[in-house]
Amino acid sequence: GQNIDQPTEMTATEGAIVQINCTYQTSGFNGLFWYQQHAGEAPTFLSYNVLDGLEEKGRFSSFLSRSKGYSYLLLKELQMKDSASYLCAVTPGTYKYIFGTGTRLKVLA
Amino acid sequence: ETGVTQTPRHLVMGMTNKKSLKCEQHLGHNAMYWYKQSAKKPLELMFVYNFKEQTENNSVPSRFSPECPNSSHLFLHLHTLQPEDSALYLCASSQDRGGETQYFGPGTRLLVL
Repeated sequence: GQNIDQPTEMTATEGAIVQINCTYQTSGFNGLFWYQQHAGEAPTFLSYNVLDGLEEKGRFSSFLSRSKGYSYLLLKELQMKDSASYLCAVTPGTYKYIFGTGTRLKVLA
Repeated sequence: ETGVTQTPRHLVMGMTNKKSLKCEQHLGHNAMYWYKQSAKKPLELMFVYNFKEQTENNSVPSRFSPECPNSSHLFLHLHTLQPEDSALYLCASSQDRGGETQYFGPGTRLLVL
């Protein structure tokens, strides 16, 4: 089967660093996405990894290890507006997308 | 604003009703998708259209009927739904080939009574 696992909920303090992990088992691999979804809003694209390593984009970074079926999203200098759900998704093939259940992040003052 | 709009934003319907959800994308993309998002469950891909042709139908019950008249518009026709169909229905688009970044609409929150 195809499966993506990520923690259900995490809590962190404003200004801190948080790492959200994602592990996957899929029949193929064409890339891994991270999306942010605020309550009642559309998921918005954060990052895409297809090769091993770290992709940095401002306060957000995403890491991929294909051999381990593992990715993480790193959020630095947390702000209150970062409170949201973070969705990990793998595309195992054309027009196929497998999503995790999402990690709800709460940022406390 | 992601360039993908959905109407209505909220919908309440009885099990015998017929209704339609509409999605429009202003990004010039050629692939469009319907997803179902239920509480504490992963996003479930329902249908995929590329250049108006349906390319994926992930074992979705026939009470859900998609329609894609052109690359910018996507509809989901609903009839004789069940209470367990209550969920957030999200539309998304991507450039074309699939496996690319998707841009999501805000969703339609559906409640079936």
